[in-house]
Amino acid sequence: AQSVAQPEDQVNVAEGNPLTVKCTYSVSGNPYLFWYVQYPNRGLQFLLKYITGDNLVKGSYGFEAEFNKSQTSFHLKKPSALVSDSALYFCAVITSGTYKYIFGTGTRLKVLA
Amino acid sequence: SAVISQKPSRDICQRGTSLTIQCQVDSQVTMMFWYRQQPGQSLTLIATANQGSEATYESGFVIDKFPISRPNLTFSTLTVSNMSPEDSSIYLCSVEASGLQETQYFGPGTRLLVL
Repeated sequence: AQSVAQPEDQVNVAEGNPLTVKCTYSVSGNPYLFWYVQYPNRGLQFLLKYITGDNLVKGSYGFEAEFNKSQTSFHLKKPSALVSDSALYFCAVITSGTYKYIFGTGTRLKVLA
Repeated sequence: SAVISQKPSRDICQRGTSLTIQCQVDSQVTMMFWYRQQPGQSLTLIATANQGSEATYESGFVIDKFPISRPNLTFSTLTVSNMSPEDSSIYLCSVEASGLQETQYFGPGTRLLVL
């Protein structure tokens, strides 16, 4: 069965420090991987995706993610965290030819001033 | 990106009643989706709604409980019927992004509390 794991319920990081939000996946076939962010009382906003090509994907607001096929991971990263990055982050996966997202359980990111 | 609005943004309802949630998109889209986000949990797909055809429901969701309409390419409704406190969730609609393979854009969500 397809699944996505976000092993950390919460990540705390000091403002200005690099941040990493972890995601691993299990799918049959080639995965399409996504990161979404949810701010309080708002819907999900698309950050970035990996379909094919370069393993390092750059997205909105300075975020990037690295696809690692051998480790089946797609960790979200940012070189320098901002307090405004504090939000709930979701990793999602689909397999090619489908449209059904499988979401992880979410990781709450807290950036401390 | 598509601009998606949902009405109502939140509601408090009594058990046994029904609530219809509206989703409006500013452009024509083929596929629209309805998700549920239960408190402290991830998103679960309820159904896929294509214009001109019956909605396709995921395992664990049935049409009698969550009837969906899709009258045109910019609008859909989800009804939560005969509500119980377990239906308290955020309900989100999403659309497939035009020209962006497999990417979905999400509405702001409807927060439902059932007493």
